[in-house]
Amino acid sequence: SAVISQKPSRDICQRGTSLTIQCQVDSQVTMMFWYRQQPGQSLTLIATANQGSEATYESGFVIDKFPISRPNLTFSTLTVSNMSPEDSSIYLCSVEGSRQGGFSYNEQFFGPGTRLTVL
Amino acid sequence: GDSVTQMEGPVTLSEEAFLTINCTYTATGYPSLFWYVQYPGEGLQLLLKATKADDKGSNKDFEATYRKETTSFHLEKGSVQVSDSAVYFCAQRGGGSQGNLIFGKGTKLSVKP
Repeated sequence: SAVISQKPSRDICQRGTSLTIQCQVDSQVTMMFWYRQQPGQSLTLIATANQGSEATYESGFVIDKFPISRPNLTFSTLTVSNMSPEDSSIYLCSVEGSRQGGFSYNEQFFGPGTRLTVL
Repeated sequence: GDSVTQMEGPVTLSEEAFLTINCTYTATGYPSLFWYVQYPGEGLQLLLKATKADDKGSNKDFEATYRKETTSFHLEKGSVQVSDSAVYFCAQRGGGSQGNLIFGKGTKLSVKP
């Protein structure tokens, strides 16, 4: 079955800096998403990472703060820019629709998450 | 707008007790419904799903039935184990917003031996 990995698994960062999180899938997938899970809260969709075009952001999230890249069908990055303590969260990527099976459509599967703490 | 409401936690049960975690949804149209589980220190895992009314999703002795008339998708298990201790999230995905999962706030379950 396909495997989703994220790097780093956790990090502690200083206010005002930026962190780039990587999401790697071991098979080609149609759709990739980025979510945020704030402490004690549910998951909130940040954006859909579109291969070869700009990401589609949800209300309340902007490209300047959360730039996203998706250069191919197996990889995406999310950058958390100019961080503040309010950005402390778990950031998760998810995927849907693998050409090689393992992920069927209408099911999203999640990576292990990146736990970010901003001081 | 579309939403998911779960019972408040935490829920504490003794081993072999019966589990119900309530979940209701509001949606335009007929969404697919999901239960995800997050074990301590791990990522989110799909537990089960149902894509249309009266479907029953099941996995690892957990089950949930898509009830259109009550807009509910309650999670049940007949006999919980300590290893079931986790946070459980109910979610929906509407046909009008493909790819957008809407999650409930999660219910933390602790099972004591």
